Amino acid sequence: SQTIHQWPATLVQPVGSPLSLECTVEGTSNPNLYWYRQAAGRGLQLLFYSVGIGQISSEVPQNLSASRPQDRQFILSSKKLLLSDSGFYLCAWEDEGEMNTEAFFGQGTRLTVV
Amino acid sequence: AQKITQTQPGMFVQEKEAVTLDCTYDTSDQSYGLFWYKQPSSGEMIFLIYQGSYDEQNATEGRYSLNFQKARKSANLVISASQLGDSAMYFCAMRGPNFGNEKLTFGTGTRLTIIP
Repeated sequence: SQTIHQWPATLVQPVGSPLSLECTVEGTSNPNLYWYRQAAGRGLQLLFYSVGIGQISSEVPQNLSASRPQDRQFILSSKKLLLSDSGFYLCAWEDEGEMNTEAFFGQGTRLTVV
Repeated sequence: AQKITQTQPGMFVQEKEAVTLDCTYDTSDQSYGLFWYKQPSSGEMIFLIYQGSYDEQNATEGRYSLNFQKARKSANLVISASQLGDSAMYFCAMRGPNFGNEKLTFGTGTRLTIIP
């Protein structure tokens, strides 16, 4: 069966520090991968979307970046965090090429920038 | 570009009553998929129900049903006989066909509170 791992669960980082959040998927190949951000009590904002290794589309210009070094690994990074980067970050995967497939989410990372 | 709108930021419903959560969408695609997810306070995202644009019947999954009105571009979630455990954020989402609109896009959500 497929599983998705996302870590860390919580993170407190000072302004200006770097960030690296990792997400890995097991039990499937060539998944589509997503990074979403959710501000407190708000909706899900799509940050990055990837359909394959090295293929990443950025939905919102900001100081975050994403990389997909392996088929089932998706990394969210920042060189210098801002206070506005605080939020709940969710990684998700789905089978490629199917409109009716649901997306499966990781447990999320609660990031607080101080 | 596709867009999802959820106009109810919050709702309070008495336990055991039915509740309807509104969702409207905007797309120029003829083929698309509509999804509802539940997010409890723990933060996990739980898939509830799916409706395809060409499905003739409204989707149902247990106590969840989707009131799909294609001409009005609405896909409201109906929860029958609400329970205290239904208290959560609910998100409507859609996906279009490939080549640009295939990403899963979410609305802003509705916070549902069930009152005992």
